[in-house]
Amino acid sequence: DQQVKQNSPSLSVQEGRISILNCDYTNSMFDYFLWYKKYPAEGPTFLISISSIKDKNEDGRFTVFLNKSAKHLSLHIVPSQPGDSAVYFCAARGPYGGSQGNLIFGKGTKLSVKP
Amino acid sequence: DTEVTQTPKHLVMGMTNKKSLKCEQHMGHRAMYWYKQKAKKPPELMFVYSYEKLSINESVPSRFSPECPNSSLLNLHLHALQPEDSALYLCASSQDGGPTAYNGYTFGSGTRLTVV
Repeated sequence: DQQVKQNSPSLSVQEGRISILNCDYTNSMFDYFLWYKKYPAEGPTFLISISSIKDKNEDGRFTVFLNKSAKHLSLHIVPSQPGDSAVYFCAARGPYGGSQGNLIFGKGTKLSVKP
Repeated sequence: DTEVTQTPKHLVMGMTNKKSLKCEQHMGHRAMYWYKQKAKKPPELMFVYSYEKLSINESVPSRFSPECPNSSLLNLHLHALQPEDSALYLCASSQDGGPTAYNGYTFGSGTRLTVV
């Protein structure tokens, strides 16, 4: 059973508009959430993270919102640029146990920003 | 140096071959990881090394054999693979056995493996 879910496999947005990528999780013990961006034939690149004790983290055009009661987070990109076109993975970190510190990834959402 | 370097970038091997994937980082990270990623799927954890010791093996078949010769290097030895093992193999490193709040893992670009 997937613990981190990205239910939208793809998203298309016009340049200059807002892109909103969504992620849901099931395990309330996750303590950090991260967004990675991946271009074809490259490894994932860290984008932004948020601690489970916060509800918002902002870095330039990128903002991540966390709603713990809904077990939902979202990544907002404003304004969207064609160079943002990539696959975005949501990831969550387990706090302890045999998989301490290991990231669990969602399936990814392919963002296309059209000029 | 803020990179994780993986070699080779592409590898084609037969089912009877023995090959190795290599991963190197010089950021002083003490945890290193192997992930496998199939097309349109998320990365899946295979192995975790923490302080050069294997700490997690996610029930990976023995035809995959990891090795951590020192804190900067991580190898994945391949033997008698199957065509379904064809995938992108990603190496990653992190500061202390888990991702930090700031930047999680640093991933390499991966090795695209094709088993024929």
